[in-house]
Amino acid sequence: AQSVTQLGSHVSVSEGALVLLRCNYSSSVPPYLFWYVQYPNQGLQLLLKYTSAATLVKGINGFEAEFKKSETSFHLTKPSAHMSDAAEYFCAVSFSNTGNQFYFGTGTSLTVIP
Amino acid sequence: NAGVTQTPKFRILKIGQSMTLQCAQDMNHNYMYWYRQDPGMGLKLIYYSVGAGITDKGEVPNGYNVSRSTTEDFPLRLELAAPSQTSVYFCASRGDRGSGANVLTFGAGSRLTVL
Repeated sequence: AQSVTQLGSHVSVSEGALVLLRCNYSSSVPPYLFWYVQYPNQGLQLLLKYTSAATLVKGINGFEAEFKKSETSFHLTKPSAHMSDAAEYFCAVSFSNTGNQFYFGTGTSLTVIP
Repeated sequence: NAGVTQTPKFRILKIGQSMTLQCAQDMNHNYMYWYRQDPGMGLKLIYYSVGAGITDKGEVPNGYNVSRSTTEDFPLRLELAAPSQTSVYFCASRGDRGSGANVLTFGAGSRLTVL
């Protein structure tokens, strides 16, 4: 089965601290990986994507993620959290052999403490 | 450039009523999707379409129907609404070539409550 798992439904960090949101996938074929952010009462916006080019991917708002095939992971990081980063974050995956469908994780709610 | 537009934003239905959630995109995308979002469950795919006249079921299609008569529009029909269909519904689209391929663009969502 092909799927994505986000570890931790809620993460709290202090303003200025490192943000680390975890995502693991399972797949028998090369994946395309994505992180989306959802602010309250809004739709999802793309943060960054991995589509088999560089394994370290930089996105908007200072976020980045590293594709690690050996660990089947695509964790999202940001060196210094800002209050405006408080949101719900979703990891998603699609596959070269099922490009019509995207599979989403259950989401991680990030709280930033002043 | 409006992107993906969903209407209505909010709706309350009584059990057994029917309604249609509208979705329109102006990016000439072939692929369109309907998801529902429930707390702690992430997004579940209801239906998707790879082009006008072509639709297919996703993970949770029961109780819903779709049509795709034009490239721009992908309405979602709820027949005989049930409380289990209380959710936030998102429409999304993507292109099939270039930098936009494999990147979903989402609408703002439609919050539906069935009482």
